Amino acid sequence: DAKTTQPNSMESNEEEPVHLPCNHSTISGTDYIHWYRQLPSQGPEYVIHGLTSNVNNRMASLAIAEDRKSSTLILHRATLRDAAVYYCILRDPLINDMRFGAGTRLTVKP
Amino acid sequence: EAGVAQSPRYKIIEKRQSVAFWCNPISGHATLYWYQQILGQGPKLLIQFQNNGVVDDSQLPKDRFSAERLKGVDSTLKIQPAKLEDSAVYLCASSLDRGTPSLVAFFGQGTRLTVV
Repeated sequence: DAKTTQPNSMESNEEEPVHLPCNHSTISGTDYIHWYRQLPSQGPEYVIHGLTSNVNNRMASLAIAEDRKSSTLILHRATLRDAAVYYCILRDPLINDMRFGAGTRLTVKP
Repeated sequence: EAGVAQSPRYKIIEKRQSVAFWCNPISGHATLYWYQQILGQGPKLLIQFQNNGVVDDSQLPKDRFSAERLKGVDSTLKIQPAKLEDSAVYLCASSLDRGTPSLVAFFGQGTRLTVV
């Protein structure tokens, strides 16, 4: 019952930018958009989150559509270590829920 | 800063046996989650605690799974009796209290359960 839709898989070349899309057409006004990634044999790790404005951190950038019904995670220069499954999640701060969908498996080619 | 600790890392049991997993969240984190991740799928939320109270256990198979967080800190997840389809990685995560703007969740490395 995930509230987001992502492509099953994407490929990128090393050192090129990667844009990972996420659709969340039923987002509510209080939902935050979170991105996590899961490296092989690891638990998921936080990447970035935002509410309305675009966000940047040392790992990635998050571009949020004006109507908030979609967002894009941007990895500016993909490395082989960025190969992982990326999850887009909506979180209500009042409930603090956290439900994952199937995510996007990113393959990075050397 | 210490992360979320889980034990054991691996467990192999026969079907119909029981098993328990332990999780120690990050100090001060009021919210604790248990997830089941079957190979090739995203993590499935089993139960969410807020301190020692259950917030959401709608996807917990209560006929065989149980979880507790007695003092609002450590938590245990138990399966009794185990079935073959319970083979999965069981992940624990924690985050700060509800209502805080930054709701980053931190995950443990998980316990890989194999039921034979």
